[in-house]
Amino acid sequence: DTEVTQTPKHLVMGMTNKKSLKCEQHMGHRAMYWYKQKAKKPPELMFVYSYEKLSINESVPSRFSPECPNSSLLNLHLHALQPEDSALYLCASSPQRAADTQYFGPGTRLTVL
Amino acid sequence: GNSVTQMEGPVTLSEEAFLTINCTYTATGYPSLFWYVQYPGEGLQLLLKATKADDKGSNKGFEATYRKETTSFHLEKGSVQVSDSAVYFCALSDERGYQKVTFGIGTKLQVIP
Repeated sequence: DTEVTQTPKHLVMGMTNKKSLKCEQHMGHRAMYWYKQKAKKPPELMFVYSYEKLSINESVPSRFSPECPNSSLLNLHLHALQPEDSALYLCASSPQRAADTQYFGPGTRLTVL
Repeated sequence: GNSVTQMEGPVTLSEEAFLTINCTYTATGYPSLFWYVQYPGEGLQLLLKATKADDKGSNKGFEATYRKETTSFHLEKGSVQVSDSAVYFCALSDERGYQKVTFGIGTKLQVIP
């Protein structure tokens, strides 16, 4: 199984809502990533978890809160988002390091009204 | 810091034409180099990679050679198909960056019948 799954596929939320994005992989990978991708731009790294511990936070606003409950699961909790946070949110995993191939999920298309 | 420069698109080709997408990089040490492809509405997937100088990565008729002397990793395909229409991202990861991948801006390829 070389698949990274993400739910939901689409999410529309108001600025006062709280929602969560979910990512799952069963490849035994020990590094997991959240990226944000705006239209016609490359993915921007947000967070990296290594062995279930947060190892990189790219100065992401606190309205985004990551969580790694176990080695297969990665969540991104959203609260009080702004319209400019509307984007495609991609999850990825790799065996251990970024120099390894990263496997991406299909993404969650988020719209903040 | 690390950077990746790739040609801006869109690139429009007729079916069976030859494809070159240029990519050059700046990095210290010996980075690993990647080409990722993103089809419409999907996440990224690895197309090919090379981890040391003079390595050639290849997959699905695409090729790229790691040229340290010119710091380049150009993507080529001898005969493109309509199904190759997608956005192509050149990327690198180095040992010092450990868990970060630096992406180029992406080149949109459109192949017309």
